[in-house]
Amino acid sequence: GAVVSQHPSRVICKSGTSVKIECRSLDFQATTMFWYRQFPKQSLMLMATSNEGSKATYEQGVEKDKFLINHASLTLSTLTVTSAHPEDSSFYICSAREFAGVAYEQYFGPGTRLTVT
Amino acid sequence: DAKTTQPNSMESNEEEPVHLPCNHSTISGTDYIHWYRQLPSQGPEYVIHGLTSNVNNRMASLAIAEDRKSSTLILHRATLRDAAVYYCIGGRKLTFGTGTRLQVTL
Repeated sequence: GAVVSQHPSRVICKSGTSVKIECRSLDFQATTMFWYRQFPKQSLMLMATSNEGSKATYEQGVEKDKFLINHASLTLSTLTVTSAHPEDSSFYICSAREFAGVAYEQYFGPGTRLTVT
Repeated sequence: DAKTTQPNSMESNEEEPVHLPCNHSTISGTDYIHWYRQLPSQGPEYVIHGLTSNVNNRMASLAIAEDRKSSTLILHRATLRDAAVYYCIGGRKLTFGTGTRLQVTL
């Protein structure tokens, strides 16, 4: 299957700083990418959907000014957590969708663990 | 997207088949049924997907009810590496429910 990478895999930042997480589709072009957040022992929660070249669509309750998403190319999307606070500590997972001729297939990155101190 | 219902947890012995059920009674006629699994501290891994017909791949089989209101993921011979949380999702926007935590024992 297709490969999606994330960088960094782990990041620790101080409260009040911003951190950027990159998501790349390595061997396919993804017109749509998704960002999820997962707290311990919980399921994945969809944060936003981004289409290449357009503004991201955020799920209800997700602050768009805090979680900045950029999808500048068909292989790269970035999530910037601005003015991070300890409650933003979580496992962030991106996903990329590829149209496979009949239906869409969606692949997930390995996740980025963010710890805000 | 369809709301899905799965058992919270299931157990299986190694080398035995496992049937993981999912109810998705509100699924629309054109929405695919997807299954993913997630190991601790990893991103979800694609398992299988289907629309109406039963599907087989190297990882699993997917049996879809004729009325499409439910489906069953079948692992033919469970191994310890299959221990994970399995998510059934109906629709284009992959919204995850609570999934089924599969435990595999020797």
